[in-house]
Amino acid sequence: EVQLVESGGGLVKPGGSLRLSCAASGFTFSNYNINWVRQAPGKGLEWVSSISSRSSYIYYADSVKGRFTISRDNAENSLYLQMNSLRAEDTAVYYCARGMDGSGSGMDVWGQGTTVTVSS
Amino acid sequence: SYVLTQPPSVSVAPGQTARITCGGNNIGSKSVHWYQQKPGQAPVLVVYDDSDRPSGIPERFSGSNSGNTATLTISRVEAGDEADYYCQVWDTSSDHHFVFGTGTKVTVL
Repeated sequence: EVQLVESGGGLVKPGGSLRLSCAASGFTFSNYNINWVRQAPGKGLEWVSSISSRSSYIYYADSVKGRFTISRDNAENSLYLQMNSLRAEDTAVYYCARGMDGSGSGMDVWGQGTTVTVSS
Repeated sequence: SYVLTQPPSVSVAPGQTARITCGGNNIGSKSVHWYQQKPGQAPVLVVYDDSDRPSGIPERFSGSNSGNTATLTISRVEAGDEADYYCQVWDTSSDHHFVFGTGTKVTVL
């Protein structure tokens, strides 16, 4: 079964750090671009970051640039999001999602999400 | 930055047709993807590249894109289609970013 499973969410104080993980299975992870998308409580979807299959291309939303770092380990079939200098507005469910085919393609496989709460 | 505008809500009776618009500057020059999200669940891709359907998505879901408006059409609406729907594009005008629309809540009467 093609699957993405996020982990690492939790409660963190403003200014703190958190590292999210996304474990892939059921497909050749190294062939696909992967994305992070988040959704604040009661709000819409917001794209966070994308990484190409070989990590050659990395992109960030302006709202997280300089604070978040996306990375991947193709040998471990894993994606990561290092989140530093967290703010209350980073509170959201974070999803990892597979890009179908190249940059800008639709996201056809999504994880169930992991919840990040930034609060004192 | 690029902005995608959707109507907040659309109501439709069962068996009728729902049309959800996604407005953006010259959106017809971009590839548009559409997602369905039910409460407490992850989004599901229902249309990609303007009008293609992933495997497993019913033919009742179709898309079009021209000028400044993209449209997701749901024919023969069923109760199970009640959900939030989001459009999405890849914007390379200033930097490389995905942009999501504001979202539309579809209510089946």
